[in-house]
Amino acid sequence: DVKVTQSSRYLVKRTGEKVFLECVQDMDHENMFWYRQDPGLGLRLIYFSYDVKMKEKGDIPEGYSVSREKKERFSLILESASTNQTSMYLCASSEHGTSIRNIQYFGAGTRLSVL
Amino acid sequence: AQTVTQSQPEMSVQEAETVTLSCTYDTSESDYYLFWYKQPPSRQMILVIRQEAYKQQNATENRFSVNFQKAAKSFSLKISDSQLGDAAMYFCAYRRSNTGNQFYFGTGTSLTVIP
Repeated sequence: DVKVTQSSRYLVKRTGEKVFLECVQDMDHENMFWYRQDPGLGLRLIYFSYDVKMKEKGDIPEGYSVSREKKERFSLILESASTNQTSMYLCASSEHGTSIRNIQYFGAGTRLSVL
Repeated sequence: AQTVTQSQPEMSVQEAETVTLSCTYDTSESDYYLFWYKQPPSRQMILVIRQEAYKQQNATENRFSVNFQKAAKSFSLKISDSQLGDAAMYFCAYRRSNTGNQFYFGTGTSLTVIP
């Protein structure tokens, strides 16, 4: 089974702190994704990466950056956390390619509260 | 960007009954993929069912089936013989078939199963 592991289930941070959310996948997937999930807004893509050191902006990249130094690890960074970044963050991974079999596999999520 | 609309924020169903969750999408593509994902409370999101747009036959997976109406751009999920374990948030998702792996998600429908 594919395993996507997010390092923390819950995080509480203070405004202005630098926050790192870590995600690791064990299936050698090329693609990795960070989403933000808010009630009534669904999943919104923040950033994705299709290879080591490669990244692409999603729909809501402002206030976030990412790092992918190794294939299995994709980090989301909040340079200076703000209260409007309080949310559930989901990491996902998938194989590269256009087949319908290449679905996204999700981690359990990190619920971040910024006070 | 593609848009995916789930017009029912919340639904409920009696155990053992059937429920249908609605999803519509907007695209100018002729070939694409559609998915339903399930997110149980405090657990990670998993794939329920998938459909290729060029296939007229509706996909089925055990108690889960879809009603795919390409001309109407509609992709509803039917859950038969509902079980308590079906209680979850359900997300409809769209993916283009010819480029990358970016998914576009709807806002979700929260399904409650009443014993």
